[in-house]
Amino acid sequence: NAGVTQTPKFQVLKTGQSMTLQCAQDMNHEYMSWYRQDPGMGLRLIHYSVGAGITDQGEVPNGYNVSRSTTEDFPLRLLSAAPSQTSVYFCASSSRPGGAGELFFGEGSRLTVL
Amino acid sequence: AQKVTQAQTEISVVEKEDVTLDCVYETRDTTYYLFWYKQPPSGELVFLIRRNSFDEQNEISGRYSWNFQKSTSSFNFTITASQVVDSAVYFCALFGEGGKLIFGQGTELSVKP
Repeated sequence: NAGVTQTPKFQVLKTGQSMTLQCAQDMNHEYMSWYRQDPGMGLRLIHYSVGAGITDQGEVPNGYNVSRSTTEDFPLRLLSAAPSQTSVYFCASSSRPGGAGELFFGEGSRLTVL
Repeated sequence: AQKVTQAQTEISVVEKEDVTLDCVYETRDTTYYLFWYKQPPSGELVFLIRRNSFDEQNEISGRYSWNFQKSTSSFNFTITASQVVDSAVYFCALFGEGGKLIFGQGTELSVKP
């Protein structure tokens, strides 16, 4: 059972480039979310989705875009990368409606923007 | 607005000491959930506990225990007889009616042999 799979695990971008972080889960979870982790800041919610076709903004949504066309996939797009987006990104999913249950996390994607 | 505060940025203890990690939260919701997660040096995030706002009973799981007090908006985590393997960053989190799970800044626990 793969759980939550994130790709790529590492990525280096130049300022202004765009890219997509992929997230897939095989647990049929309705709730999925993206967090970024920065030193001293904890985990901050970027975007989340309570089901296919439904997305909403979290605490730090600027510069990121998401879509949820299927239950399994929840990609995170960086539209024009900036050095401030250098971070470790985690995708997570939950079985409870609305995300009130235990979160299952991917292994993280370390992004560096030069 | 929701907020979670973990005032202890770093804690260092010697093995076998007891240690308490503090978590204070703010929310206007009447129904909410509190969580603790562990992030060991390997980087993955591991679920430890979930508690709903209507259940103030303390919980014990082996060497771990949690003290939930609505009167002080706190959900503290105690490790009894700490071990080196407990070294990790620990996050407290709050899920409210707005549908967002908000994390605290984390407490880095170092247990020295």
